[in-house]
Amino acid sequence: KQEVTQIPAALSVPEGENLVLNCSFTDSAIYNLQWFRQDPGKGLTSLLLIQSSQREQTSGRLNASLDKSSGRSTLYIAASQPGDSATYLCAVDGGGSEKLVFGKGTKLTVNP
Amino acid sequence: DGGITQSPKYLFRKEGQNVTLSCEQNLNHDAMYWYRQDPGQGLRLIYYSQIVNDFQKGDIAEGYSVSREKKESFPLTVTSAQKNPTAFYLCASSRRGGDEQYFGPGTRLTVT
Repeated sequence: KQEVTQIPAALSVPEGENLVLNCSFTDSAIYNLQWFRQDPGKGLTSLLLIQSSQREQTSGRLNASLDKSSGRSTLYIAASQPGDSATYLCAVDGGGSEKLVFGKGTKLTVNP
Repeated sequence: DGGITQSPKYLFRKEGQNVTLSCEQNLNHDAMYWYRQDPGQGLRLIYYSQIVNDFQKGDIAEGYSVSREKKESFPLTVTSAQKNPTAFYLCASSRRGGDEQYFGPGTRLTVT
């Protein structure tokens, strides 16, 4: 059974800092991996999707990498801003059942 | 504007009553999903549908029912058999199963 872990559960950084959020998964046979952002009381916003054949994806200040063999993904946020404060969720799609397995998220606070 | 809408944003019900949560999308997506989010537990899949008139149980389908009579609509009924219905419910859709998922704003259900 696929399990997704995100460490740390919470992270607090000063504005302007570059940071990395971690996601690990137990079964490397994944179809894709998706990173989401969730603001309090809101739905999820898709940030990046990495197909299993890809190593990384970039969108603006965000860069997500995928290492299937080690069961790891990282989300790199450059020059963090207070508006980046949110919970970041990682989810993997194992294929076949078309369902995402989510981690519990990392709550990021960027202090001005 | 294309997107996913969920209504209502907040819903209150007495124990023993069935309640139906609405989810509509105008993205022309084939696949739709229902997730439940509880504090500290992450998102868990309730039901998903890859095509009209077809749906499958997710990890926690007991006490829930769905229908998919139209491509753009995937309502979720929380029945009185669901033991702990109070939660944040999120609907999502994707072009097809396994593609990037897009989420609605969620419905917070409180049952007392």
